[in-house]
Amino acid sequence: QKEVEQNSGPLSVPEGAIASLNCTYSDRGSQSFFWYRQYSGKSPELIMSIYSNGDKEDGRFTAQLNKASQYVSLLIRDSQPSDSATYLCAVLSSTGGFKTIFGAGTRLFVKA
Amino acid sequence: DAEITQSPRHKITETGRQVTLACHQTWNHNNMFWYRQDLGHGLRLIHYSYGVQDTNKGEVSDGYSVSRSNTEDLPLTLESAASSQTSVYFCASSISGGGTDTQYFGPGTRLTVL
Repeated sequence: QKEVEQNSGPLSVPEGAIASLNCTYSDRGSQSFFWYRQYSGKSPELIMSIYSNGDKEDGRFTAQLNKASQYVSLLIRDSQPSDSATYLCAVLSSTGGFKTIFGAGTRLFVKA
Repeated sequence: DAEITQSPRHKITETGRQVTLACHQTWNHNNMFWYRQDLGHGLRLIHYSYGVQDTNKGEVSDGYSVSRSNTEDLPLTLESAASSQTSVYFCASSISGGGTDTQYFGPGTRLTVL
């Protein structure tokens, strides 16, 4: 079992719709969770971080965390073509020292 | 403005050659990381450092080495390049402590080993 798992996609949504990206993790002791966006040919950039159960909203983005289910998600409301990118879920794991483990990423396409 | 840079941005080398990829950050971050990114694997940690003279192995460290002689730089050396090391390499840094560990990435180096 991979430490951080994501559906590779691609996930295709029409412009204006809600895109839902999901991630599960295996280290129950993980405390910090991140979503990075990576455009093709570019480096990852942080868009959201979340540390406690529940929802965290930032503009059109909402991160959701459920530690009991070891599940974290990212919702993108009113999706725009400019949101088309690969979204990487990352988890700060305490196993073997504090290290950030990245998922393989989900490719999102927003159709105009 | 603070930044993190990598050089070269593109490199073609031959099997068996030693290659060094440079990473320089002006954030004054204690933590620095090297990742490789391949299709289907996402970002995989090669080596990381929590401060000067500190280096640690990541999940895919075989064939790679790093040294940290100052806060700003963490060069990655491929001792004897292999075709399996063809990849995109990203350097990242983060501020120490707090458990938040937001990472800031460099632009990447695309390495091809022929």
